[in-house]
Amino acid sequence: KNQVEQSPQSLIILEGKNCTLQCNYTVSPFSNLRWYKQDTGRGPVSLTIMTFSENTKSNGRYTATLDADTKQSSLHITASQLSDSASYICVVSFPSNDYKLSFGAGTTVTVRA
Amino acid sequence: GAGVSQSPSNKVTEKGKDVELRCDPISGHTALYWYRQSLGQGLEFLIYFQGNSAPDKSGLPSDRFSAERTGGSVSTLTIQRTQQEDSAVYLCASSFDRTSSYEQYFGPGTRLTVT
Repeated sequence: KNQVEQSPQSLIILEGKNCTLQCNYTVSPFSNLRWYKQDTGRGPVSLTIMTFSENTKSNGRYTATLDADTKQSSLHITASQLSDSASYICVVSFPSNDYKLSFGAGTTVTVRA
Repeated sequence: GAGVSQSPSNKVTEKGKDVELRCDPISGHTALYWYRQSLGQGLEFLIYFQGNSAPDKSGLPSDRFSAERTGGSVSTLTIQRTQQEDSAVYLCASSFDRTSSYEQYFGPGTRLTVT
């Protein structure tokens, strides 16, 4: 079973609207949790990074939150733009093997005009 | 500066043939990683190089897969006797050092299709 589960698998939103993506992980503690954005045909690019003790981190219109008690993280996109159409991947790294990352399958977001 | 580059961007090969995928990491990055991304699945770790240390090959799915990193820079991932299940996007990443606190920068990937 994957250690990082994401939901929904995909979603479609209208330009200007907000959306929230979910990430559930099974192993804790961890070194850090990242959210990546992957445009079609490109490699993933880091949006936010949080350590185990942090509970929120923002990068422009992207805000990630972390609840270590429930082992959940969310990525909130505010005032979506067409350029936000991409796959968003939750990634967790573990202290026991800190260079190996555990990747979620991603949520595909489509923003329509 | 230049990011991580990979070549070719697309590769179509016949079942049973060998393929070589190339990765040029960011200059000065000592750590280099190969991942495989299959449709609908998360990235799968394949192999990790750190400086002159022995690579971590624990993610390679079979002995048909091998990789090398020459001179601590360019890396080549080789798949021998390709199978249809090898079809995927192969991503390379590099980072300044090995720990997870250092950002991994990804290349655009090589899309491999085995027919």
